[in-house]
Amino acid sequence: AQSVTQLDSQVPVFEEAPVELRCNYSSSVSVYLFWYVQYPNQGLQLLLKYLSGSTLVKGINGFEAEFNKSQTSFHLRKPSVHISDTAEYFCAVSEIQGAQKLVFGQGTRLTINP
Amino acid sequence: DADVTQTPRNRITKTGKRIMLECSQTKGHDRMYWYRQDPGLGLRLIYYSFDVKDINKGEISDGYSVSRQAQAKFSLSLESAIPNQTALYFCAASDRGYRELFFGEGSRLTVL
Repeated sequence: AQSVTQLDSQVPVFEEAPVELRCNYSSSVSVYLFWYVQYPNQGLQLLLKYLSGSTLVKGINGFEAEFNKSQTSFHLRKPSVHISDTAEYFCAVSEIQGAQKLVFGQGTRLTINP
Repeated sequence: DADVTQTPRNRITKTGKRIMLECSQTKGHDRMYWYRQDPGLGLRLIYYSFDVKDINKGEISDGYSVSRQAQAKFSLSLESAIPNQTALYFCAASDRGYRELFFGEGSRLTVL
């Protein structure tokens, strides 16, 4: 079975500063990796995903993430954040074979301060 | 238009009452899921369905049941609600192999 650990429950950042949200996973088999974003009072929407190929994945709103198989990590980055990036971010993993079940991390609340 | 629609969006009920949360989707996805979100715990899978005749338990199915009435509809029931079932519930849908979940906007349930 797979598991996901998001290393920071809350991350406060000033506007226009860079940010990194950390995610580590555990699995005995190959996996797909995802980042979802949840804006206040809304459902989750896909930010980006790694299925195969280049380990650097670009997503919506200027976010990118890098898959590091040796460190079993999938950290999310943005070089310059905006107030509108305030949200909760979830890392998730799914085994490539078998049931298409996403296992989510605990979430990281990103707060952008002016 | 929303792909996945959940009703009700908010519900307050009392301990012991039966509650049904409904979910429908418009894009013909094969698979549907119910997740529960609690602060600090992320989302946890309650039940999932790969087609109308295929229902599977997730990691926290105790106290819940589901029904896949049609390809487009997947409802979650709490037979006898208890306070620790107070949470935000999400329905999601996906296609086989596509590896992306499309989420509804959530149903906030409060059990007093």
